[in-house]
Amino acid sequence: AQSVAQPEDQVNVAEGNPLTVKCTYSVSGNPYLFWYVQYPNRGLQFLLKYITGDNLVKGSYGFEAEFNKSQTSFHLKKPSALVSDSALYFCAVRPGGKLIFGQGTELSVKP
Amino acid sequence: NAGVTQTPKFRVLKTGQSMTLLCAQDMNHEYMYWYRQDPGMGLRLIHYSVGEGTTAKGEVPDGYNVSRLKKQNFLLGLESAAPSQTSVYFCASSSGQGTRGEAEAFFGQGTRLTVV
Repeated sequence: AQSVAQPEDQVNVAEGNPLTVKCTYSVSGNPYLFWYVQYPNRGLQFLLKYITGDNLVKGSYGFEAEFNKSQTSFHLKKPSALVSDSALYFCAVRPGGKLIFGQGTELSVKP
Repeated sequence: NAGVTQTPKFRVLKTGQSMTLLCAQDMNHEYMYWYRQDPGMGLRLIHYSVGEGTTAKGEVPDGYNVSRLKKQNFLLGLESAAPSQTSVYFCASSSGQGTRGEAEAFFGQGTRLTVV
């Protein structure tokens, strides 16, 4: 079955420290992978995607993600976290016409 | 440019009532999706459409029906609402980019539905 897993319900980081939000996937063929962010009472906003090419993908707001085919992972990273990065983050995979999401990770950045 | 618009934003239904949620997009996107979001469950795909006149089941289709009669609209129907369908519903759309599917999705602001 094609799926996405986010093993951490919550990630806590101090402002200025690096952050990582983990994502692993299970999909046949070449994966199309995405990260989205959701702020309270809002819809999801696109952050970045991996389609092909470089394993390190850069996106919006200073976020980047590293694609690792052997570990079937697509972890979201940021070198220096901001309090304003606090939100709910979703990893997603697109098998065919579907777009399937993980369960989400709540990121909390404290001053 | 409105993007993806969902109607209504809030609704309270009694068990057994029916309703239709409307999703409209003005980006000429081929693909459209309906999700429900529940605490701890993430976004679960209900139904999706890869083009006008087509629909397909997602991960949790039971109790819902959809129609895509016009390219810009994707309707989600609840024929007989149940308390288990209390949730926040999100619609999304994306361009199809052929069969590669690399285009990102744009989301509406959500519909908060309560079934009592």
